[in-house]
Amino acid sequence: DQQVKQNSPSLSVQEGRISILNCDYTNSMFDYFLWYKKYPAEGPTFLISISSIKDKNEDGRFTVFLNKSAKHLSLHIVPSQPGDSAVYFCAASASGGYQKVTFGTGTKLQVIP
Amino acid sequence: NAGVTQTPKFRILKIGQSMTLQCTQDMNHNYMYWYRQDPGMGLKLIYYSVGAGITDKGEVPNGYNVSRSTTEDFPLRLELAAPSQTSVYFCASSYSGGGYTFGSGTRLTVV
Repeated sequence: DQQVKQNSPSLSVQEGRISILNCDYTNSMFDYFLWYKKYPAEGPTFLISISSIKDKNEDGRFTVFLNKSAKHLSLHIVPSQPGDSAVYFCAASASGGYQKVTFGTGTKLQVIP
Repeated sequence: NAGVTQTPKFRILKIGQSMTLQCTQDMNHNYMYWYRQDPGMGLKLIYYSVGAGITDKGEVPNGYNVSRSTTEDFPLRLELAAPSQTSVYFCASSYSGGGYTFGSGTRLTVV
């Protein structure tokens, strides 16, 4: 049962354009969402997060949007740069109890110079 | 700061052999985790710990054991290696409510 779904395994975008990575979740108890970025042969690194009390969080070129009614979130990267080429994991957790995070299967982003 | 350090980076095991994957963090994080990543499957939680002396099972704990005798260390033990345990293993740590810091991973092949 995949509670966090990233339906696009890969995405190619031209340098300077917008990259939009999508994520859907099924567990209505999730109230904290994160995006991680992973380069080959490295561990994932935390990128940006959003709490369910917000619908948008921005950090430089990265913005995460949350649509709770649709159980959908997206990561926007503007402008995209070649160094953004990586695998992006969406993740979610529920408050209360322990900090167990459920990860999606990842989307491989390629930014073409 | 070194962050989260995993050793070894690569290992080939024969079926039935045992090994311990080491994980150390120097950030004084109370939470620590072990994940495995199979191709196209995302990250699956094996075990986690909320503090020294406390561990609990994640989604895929069968075939593994852990211990947490100190805040810094969280080793993962494979007792009887099986081909299904071929994967990339990631250790991570966090403060309560914080984002995870991951190690660089251990690529394990069981033949």
